[in-house]
Amino acid sequence: DTAVSQTPKYLVTQMGNDKSIKCEQNLGHDTMYWYKQDSKKFLKIMFSYNNKELIINETVPNRFSPKSPDKAHLNLHINSLELGDSAVYFCASSQRGGRTGTNYGYTFGSGTRLTVV
Amino acid sequence: GQQVMQIPQYQHVQEGEDFTTYCNSSTTLSNIQWYKQRPGGHPVFLIQLVKSGEVKKQKRLTFQFGEAKKNSSLHITATQTTDVGTYFCAGRRDSWGKLQFGAGTQVVVTP
Repeated sequence: DTAVSQTPKYLVTQMGNDKSIKCEQNLGHDTMYWYKQDSKKFLKIMFSYNNKELIINETVPNRFSPKSPDKAHLNLHINSLELGDSAVYFCASSQRGGRTGTNYGYTFGSGTRLTVV
Repeated sequence: GQQVMQIPQYQHVQEGEDFTTYCNSSTTLSNIQWYKQRPGGHPVFLIQLVKSGEVKKQKRLTFQFGEAKKNSSLHITATQTTDVGTYFCAGRRDSWGKLQFGAGTQVVVTP
């Protein structure tokens, strides 16, 4: 199936632990993103990579570190987890076309629900 | 900085009725996108509007982009229970800028 897939779907962990979320897309898109959705459903951009290059790095604690080994993968590592990190994390991808920068719709993964206890 | 605001935050609709959700930006947008997120699901891309005054239809959904490219609306006619979910608008100031999501309109449909 063509899709954006992220693992794990659920993650329950204790404060202070380090965890990773993985994302892969097989749509051939050149840009990938991490979004955080809080309990009020607000979608906040965290990071964006275009062809493995970091292009958006929002005001996010440096405990969060993204890594893009190739343009089909974007992982998120979180150190020293805190209660406030509990949220749903969505990976997404899109194609940014040509010199005009034409944008196309984002394809989102099914999300990783992170609960820090 | 650019802000995208959506109203209303919540919308309770009787099945069969029409409703509209609005999106307003503090700055002129290059384009605007709309997404739908079902309860427990992920955002799904619906449409992108690029031109000033553009109107696009998808079955019972009508999307509009304002003449000044600072606002947009989504109108749903004859609401069905399948329309339940949160509708997000998302805009960017220029072609290469980041996509800024509104806070969403959560729609509940009463049979």
